[in-house]
Amino acid sequence: QQPVQSPQAVILREGEDAVINCSSSKALYSVHWYRQKHGEAPVFLMILLKGGEQKGHEKISASFNEKKQQSSLYLTASQLSYSGTYFCGTEWSDSNYQLIWGAGTKLIIKP
Amino acid sequence: NAGVTQTPKFQVLKTGQSMTLQCAQDMNHEYMSWYRQDPGMGLRLIHYSVGAGITDQGEVPNGYNVSRSTTEDFPLRLLSAAPSQTSVYFCASTNGGALTEAFFGQGTRLTVV
Repeated sequence: QQPVQSPQAVILREGEDAVINCSSSKALYSVHWYRQKHGEAPVFLMILLKGGEQKGHEKISASFNEKKQQSSLYLTASQLSYSGTYFCGTEWSDSNYQLIWGAGTKLIIKP
Repeated sequence: NAGVTQTPKFQVLKTGQSMTLQCAQDMNHEYMSWYRQDPGMGLRLIHYSVGAGITDQGEVPNGYNVSRSTTEDFPLRLLSAAPSQTSVYFCASTNGGALTEAFFGQGTRLTVV
């Protein structure tokens, strides 16, 4: 069963903030975040490990909530270049060291 | 530095035809994988390889074969194409297994009619 991403889609004005959630029904070991622009390959953003610290670069950061089995991706003061579909890949104890991917969250940034 | 190169970018097949999707990487990565991406489904793992001569099945392996004769190349073969295999296929590689940063190819959009 794949992790659930929410929202499925979000439309923002440039400069606004967004939060994308990735929730798992199973205990998470790690969560991987990628962004994919239309017609392009997914591009790595960051990995969060169970028990690890919140990570981020520039205005994109993420957290890992063990109690909720959820990771959240934060996009602050969004830029037009942030548009795309964001995917989380999750590692579980029984996923045989492979990632199980969410269906994605489509983010549209308008000027 | 080319990274991960996939060919072709687009392909139309008739039901029952076979073909090979090519994937090559120049980063000397041991781990390579094939995914298919369908609307609303995210990425699903087809097959993966942890090194030359070693392959294993992923989540949706039926109808696909792989081989890994060299570190650089990881072709995906469709044995007898079916409309259900219409999808976008991505090849990826990492330098530390499935749980490290993955580098993806540009994808192959396959339509089976």
